[in-house]
Amino acid sequence: SAVISQKPSRDICQRGTSLTIQCQVDSQVTMMFWYRQQPGQSLTLIATANQGSEATYESGFVIDKFPISRPNLTFSTLTVSNMSPEDSSIYLCSVEGTSGSSDTQYFGPGTRLTVL
Amino acid sequence: GNSVTQMEGPVTLSEEAFLTINCTYTATGYPSLFWYVQYPGEGLQLLLKATKADDKGSNKGFEATYRKETTSFHLEKGSVQVSDSAVYFCALLHTGGFKTIFGAGTRLFVKA
Repeated sequence: SAVISQKPSRDICQRGTSLTIQCQVDSQVTMMFWYRQQPGQSLTLIATANQGSEATYESGFVIDKFPISRPNLTFSTLTVSNMSPEDSSIYLCSVEGTSGSSDTQYFGPGTRLTVL
Repeated sequence: GNSVTQMEGPVTLSEEAFLTINCTYTATGYPSLFWYVQYPGEGLQLLLKATKADDKGSNKGFEATYRKETTSFHLEKGSVQVSDSAVYFCALLHTGGFKTIFGAGTRLFVKA
């Protein structure tokens, strides 16, 4: 398994501002994933981030709105840019398991974002 | 494409009742199947998993059996507790893939 921490755990932001969410893992992982969970909904994959390359975005998500950094094998950031109330969601960082559980994804505790 | 369908909630049960949350999937080949749980205000936790047909995953009194013939992975618990109140997500990961596909989630309320 992997232990994942996220900062901040929650935030309330004003429309038009940006927020950067940090994700730290206790072991080196190749792939990290960012998900959005809108209120009462399931998880939607935003992008996949590999160290040393540009993130791969899913349909409906663009780099200008959700820039991602992946500077090393244990850390990633997701920025939510030019926020609007529709961006109010839980943002979750996830990693694939390490050896012995590489078919499983593990999740951070999430960042609960409210945009006013 | 790959997809997961799970029963709509909310499901409301009394303490010590029997729980079943249905989950069916569509996928080619032999995906791994998972149940994740999300307690109020928290992220997702892996509850159990099964990687091949007829495997039974179990944890904390919950069980699910990988049924390839019915493409199902139903979650069961013989006696639920108030602390089991949460949202449960069924999910699959295709062999060789890296993107987990999640169901819509089923909210469970357990009353004392």
